[in-house]
Amino acid sequence: GAGVSQSPSNKVTEKGKDVELRCDPISGHTALYWYRQRLGQGLEFLIYFQGNSAPDKSGLPSDRFSAERTGESVSTLTIQRTQQEDSAVYLCASSPRRGNNSPLHFGNGTRLTVT
Amino acid sequence: GNSVTQMEGPVTLSEEAFLTINCTYTATGYPSLFWYVQYPGEGLQLLLKATKADDKGSNKGFEATYRKETTSFHLEKGSVQVSDSAVYFCALSEVQGAQKLVFGQGTRLTINP
Repeated sequence: GAGVSQSPSNKVTEKGKDVELRCDPISGHTALYWYRQRLGQGLEFLIYFQGNSAPDKSGLPSDRFSAERTGESVSTLTIQRTQQEDSAVYLCASSPRRGNNSPLHFGNGTRLTVT
Repeated sequence: GNSVTQMEGPVTLSEEAFLTINCTYTATGYPSLFWYVQYPGEGLQLLLKATKADDKGSNKGFEATYRKETTSFHLEKGSVQVSDSAVYFCALSEVQGAQKLVFGQGTRLTINP
């Protein structure tokens, strides 16, 4: 079946512009995560959605970052006034249910380059 | 805070060699531990996991044992293949009831024929 889909796969933007990244999770998955991976580093947690609960935004690095999710479907991550340090691969993952025994299914990521 | 430290790469081995990728963690409580793998051109996928001390996760010939006394979860395989070439990530789950994963920096493994 279809996996987690992210778009665009690559995005090049000028410093100061806003960008919007999209994630389509696997149908029926209630949990959705955004991670960021800078070059040569591990994955950095950004935000977590679980059903209708308030999202866990504890990983968002600044108020320029925000994310929304419509029900249990698509999510968008928005970065306002992009900076060069925002350049990274942004990964989305979904999980069928709450709990730490549920595997995460990752998308292929969006590679963001801020020039 | 919680953290995961992995063996630095890149690691290059010959086919059929023995593989160890070290992973140690710092955590409060009793996290679950994971290894994820990213093959070229693909998304991360779960390789194996262990949810409590002394558990051994295994998959595709890979194994890792949850060692609470040494706070380690080293990944091992007895005989690697070219198809094992990938980036390997060690991770722990930080919050009970949600899988908010904390990842290591990843180790790139290349297997030469």
